[in-house]
Amino acid sequence: QSALTQPASVSGSPGQSITISCAGTSSDVGAFDLVSWYQQHPGKAPKLIIYEATKRPSGVSNRFSGSRSGNTASLTISGLQAEDEADYYCSAFAGHRISLFGGGTTVTVL
Amino acid sequence: EVQLLQSGAEVRKPGATVKISCKVSGYTFTDYNIHWVQQAPGKGLEWMGVVDPEDGEAVYAAKFQGRVTFTADTSTDTAHLELKSLRNEHTAVYYCATASLAAATLDFWGQGTLLTVSS
Repeated sequence: QSALTQPASVSGSPGQSITISCAGTSSDVGAFDLVSWYQQHPGKAPKLIIYEATKRPSGVSNRFSGSRSGNTASLTISGLQAEDEADYYCSAFAGHRISLFGGGTTVTVL
Repeated sequence: EVQLLQSGAEVRKPGATVKISCKVSGYTFTDYNIHWVQQAPGKGLEWMGVVDPEDGEAVYAAKFQGRVTFTADTSTDTAHLELKSLRNEHTAVYYCATASLAAATLDFWGQGTLLTVSS
């Protein structure tokens, strides 16, 4: 049960697009489409922004999009805004009711 | 409106035990599993495990196996996390969350409970 691998930090200028990767294995990210992404602002609880790899919950901006290819999932933020500055975590189902989180990625808006 | 309301901050000495609660409202308690997540100061999220309120069956992440116990009280719609033999490294915020959209998809979260372990 190893954590998923994310880059520690990603930055971009307002209006740009950035992509955060989430590398897993054929037992988790590659095995199920149950990949989720969470946004967390300092001192706040995480918020679900992508589920089942590509779906957005109601109320989440369409600037957030997700994809999955093989053992890697990705989160893309388009039209980067100051409010997007936060920590982002991926999560994947690994079977037998087990879930895994990635180490988290800090997004900085320059 | 779905809400998960957690108990307040706790301070314990090393070796002690703590029990954190998570009261849910806005949905049928037994419909969805409750997950628990640990976040140490300045660190990332770590999945601790999950409990099914319908039958009380729990699954624990390997790191927490043997040290934590999840329970679910259907009479009060409250889930509990008990953590024993506390160490300084258990100082963290603990979140409960539920997965109503899809399996392992944490769409509703509690506000978090800060546990401080210090002598």
